[in-house]
Amino acid sequence: DVKVTQSSRYLVKRTGEKVFLECVQDMDHENMFWYRQDPGLGLRLIYFSYDVKMKEKGDIPEGYSVSREKKERFSLILESASTNQTSMYLCASSFSGLAGREQYFGPGTRLTVT
Amino acid sequence: DQQVKQNSPSLSVQEGRISILNCDYTNSMFDYFLWYKKYPAEGPTFLISISSIKDKNEDGRFTVFLNKSAKHLSLHIVPSQPGDSAVYFCAASAFSHNTNAGKSTFGDGTTLTVKP
Repeated sequence: DVKVTQSSRYLVKRTGEKVFLECVQDMDHENMFWYRQDPGLGLRLIYFSYDVKMKEKGDIPEGYSVSREKKERFSLILESASTNQTSMYLCASSFSGLAGREQYFGPGTRLTVT
Repeated sequence: DQQVKQNSPSLSVQEGRISILNCDYTNSMFDYFLWYKKYPAEGPTFLISISSIKDKNEDGRFTVFLNKSAKHLSLHIVPSQPGDSAVYFCAASAFSHNTNAGKSTFGDGTTLTVKP
């Protein structure tokens, strides 16, 4: 069974703080993704990594950065948290190649920035 | 512009009847389509998918239909059960040879309620 775990289920941070969200997968997947989910807006891709140290911006990268130093771990960093980054953050992973379209999601981290 | 649209935010059906969830897309580069199901406080889980070279894929009570000319896909659930009540996301995937990866664009989701 594929398992994607996220470091926290709930997080409350103050405006201006640096925030780290961690994601770990145990299926040796090449690809990892960070999304945010907001009511009425579906899942929007923030960043995507297709290999260790390789990353690509998604649709809404502003205010975020990522780090992938090991294959199994993908971190999302909010450099200076703002209230409009209050959201549900979802991590996902998948295999590379044409067959690797299905993504496996973690349970999500609900982040509140006050 | 939104490349993947689910025009119905919610759908309510009676147990035992058919549920039909719809999805439209605009980008011709999408070559693979997926449906995910999401319960509250959980991440989405994969439900069923279809390649652009097919027009139908069936898995038990779930069938996905693809109409490429109309850029439209639908998910049929027959018969619907109360446990099917969840948010359903449509996703369209495009493959990049540069990254050797498929990236998905998601719709806004449709909340399905199946009444006993």
